[in-house]
Amino acid sequence: EAQVTQNPRYLITVTGKKLTVTCSQNMNHEYMSWYRQDPGLGLRQIYYSMNVEVTDKGDVPEGYKVSRKEKRNFPLILESPSPNQTSLYFCASRAGGTGELFFGEGSRLTVL
Amino acid sequence: GENVEQHPSTLSVQEGDSAVIKCTYSDSASNYFPWYKQELGKRPQLIIDIRSNVGEKKDQRIAVTLNKTAKHFSLHITETQPEDSAVYFCAARGGGNKLTFGTGTQLKVEL
Repeated sequence: EAQVTQNPRYLITVTGKKLTVTCSQNMNHEYMSWYRQDPGLGLRQIYYSMNVEVTDKGDVPEGYKVSRKEKRNFPLILESPSPNQTSLYFCASRAGGTGELFFGEGSRLTVL
Repeated sequence: GENVEQHPSTLSVQEGDSAVIKCTYSDSASNYFPWYKQELGKRPQLIIDIRSNVGEKKDQRIAVTLNKTAKHFSLHITETQPEDSAVYFCAARGGGNKLTFGTGTQLKVEL
């Protein structure tokens, strides 16, 4: 089954404690991206990757890091989480430059 | 960069009525306009899309129209049903293949 898998789905953590949200896709997609969803603000892009070892900032990259060492994986790293990073996070992937964006199930993060 | 505005933010209709959600975009180079539906607690999923060389596209009860001159596009849902209740996001893909989303419309279909 074609899918984008994120883990963890839910996480409560404290300010400053480093965490990683993993994302994996099994569709051999070149493009992967991270979004955060906040009420009234829609889906805002954090980082994206056009292919292995190629990453770039989206609209709200501050406080986040990513890496793309393998085609299927695109982890999101919060080195020192802060309460303003409390949000619902979605990983997504698509084939090439156009086409449907497939989303993971989302990861709800709370930073206390 | 691209800026996408979406209206209304909330929309309540009676079952069987039509619903229209409108979006405007700023980048004249944008050439792809998808619509995503997000049910409560679920991931966004593509429901329909349109490319800039087409003015209208229809899929059963859902249709999307595009006015390139005015830089706006709309989602039309006819004969609404309770299962149409969800958040709908428009998006536009401009230069650099970047997809920018609108802020979403909460559609509620009342019995």
